[in-house]
Amino acid sequence: NAGVTQTPKFQVLKTGQSMTLQCAQDMNHEYMSWYRQDPGMGLRLIHYSVGAGITDQGEVPNGYNVSRSTTEDFPLRLLSAAPSQTSVYFCASSYGTGKGYTFGSGTRLTVV
Amino acid sequence: GEDVEQSLFLSVREGDSSVINCTYTDSSSTYLYWYKQEPGAGLQLLTYIFSNMDMKQDQRLTVLLNKKDKHLSLRIADTQTGDSAIYFCAEIYGQNFVFGPGTRLSVLP
Repeated sequence: NAGVTQTPKFQVLKTGQSMTLQCAQDMNHEYMSWYRQDPGMGLRLIHYSVGAGITDQGEVPNGYNVSRSTTEDFPLRLLSAAPSQTSVYFCASSYGTGKGYTFGSGTRLTVV
Repeated sequence: GEDVEQSLFLSVREGDSSVINCTYTDSSSTYLYWYKQEPGAGLQLLTYIFSNMDMKQDQRLTVLLNKKDKHLSLRIADTQTGDSAIYFCAEIYGQNFVFGPGTRLSVLP
């Protein structure tokens, strides 16, 4: 009963590098999302998915791509890392609208 | 877009009650939520309230909702040092959650 699992927990990238943040859930949740957390700004939605094969943009999608080929996995790709993408990234899943999220423990990303 | 506002800091003494306030903008939100984030961890759902309720109590937690003023509050009775964390208010907007900036609660011995 792992819930939402994010890997890696920490990552340092150089400007211009690309990488994928992994997110997997074992609760058969249809809804998954990615947020970034920055001090004093709360959580801002990057991308979300309401089911396998369906994704959509959130509030701050630029510089990020997602795909949802299975119900379980929702990876977040940084195409060309920039210092402005230094943040803590959280993946979350839910049964659907109105239900509370289950969050992963986060990935702390630093872009130098 | 939708906006959720909270004060950023609150300090209380151990054993006192804490009240964390939140205002939101989307009057059609069916649920409103409180999440807790401890250092280095993800967000944990504390409680939620359905929009047709005025109050919900769960052990030491009391949630009050004033729909007219779009104001939500979380009261923690007998606050303990383990309650030190960041507390986020959130509302549903469309299919997604909108979070406030979080209130950092510090509990002083």
